[in-house]
Amino acid sequence: IAGITQAPTSQILAAGRRMTLRCTQDMRHNAMYWYRQDLGLGLRLIHYSNTAGTTGKGEVPDGYSVSRANTDDFPLTLASAVPSQTSVYFCASSDSESTDTQYFGPGTRLTVL
Amino acid sequence: GQNIDQPTEMTATEGAIVQINCTYQTSGFNGLFWYQQHAGEAPTFLSYNVLDGLEEKGRFSSFLSRSKGYSYLLLKELQMKDSASYLCAVMDSNYQLIWGAGTKLIIKP
Repeated sequence: IAGITQAPTSQILAAGRRMTLRCTQDMRHNAMYWYRQDLGLGLRLIHYSNTAGTTGKGEVPDGYSVSRANTDDFPLTLASAVPSQTSVYFCASSDSESTDTQYFGPGTRLTVL
Repeated sequence: GQNIDQPTEMTATEGAIVQINCTYQTSGFNGLFWYQQHAGEAPTFLSYNVLDGLEEKGRFSSFLSRSKGYSYLLLKELQMKDSASYLCAVMDSNYQLIWGAGTKLIIKP
């Protein structure tokens, strides 16, 4: 692994189903982030984690949960998917939560029907 | 509220120069980032400005004026591969990035 990986690449999901998007980084970065990107809007922060064992809410956290059991993994869970959660989801990481550059994974394209 | 404004779309000619502007209003300021995003791909880091002035990196330069809440990204000697969206993002007082919607740059031969 080099950098950040995300799985799945794309997914079509029925409304009401539970879904976990996976994110793994091998750069030993302390901070990790989940964003969603919708047409015509900037990236919006869903949840973040400044270090393993801690998480925080971003701009649009409702309907999503995260965990950070170790440094490398930062899964994002949709407990009961709704069509408005159709989006492209990007995971990112940075060395720290301050002004360090954020590096992005390839993204997961999620469609909720 | 926090706001980042940048043009939705710009068109330029191969070999020319283009300037993409970004204005911002945020709660606090801990630096401004520019990212490049090709269609269907992840954003990749281009530049970071925290002090006023021009930062040059090869064909790309980025300028910042904190008093005016303004930045621009300057791309010289445009190549077809520069066709992409360019994202402006400001780090606020909570060290969270606030993102603009991006400027889609179309390069014509």
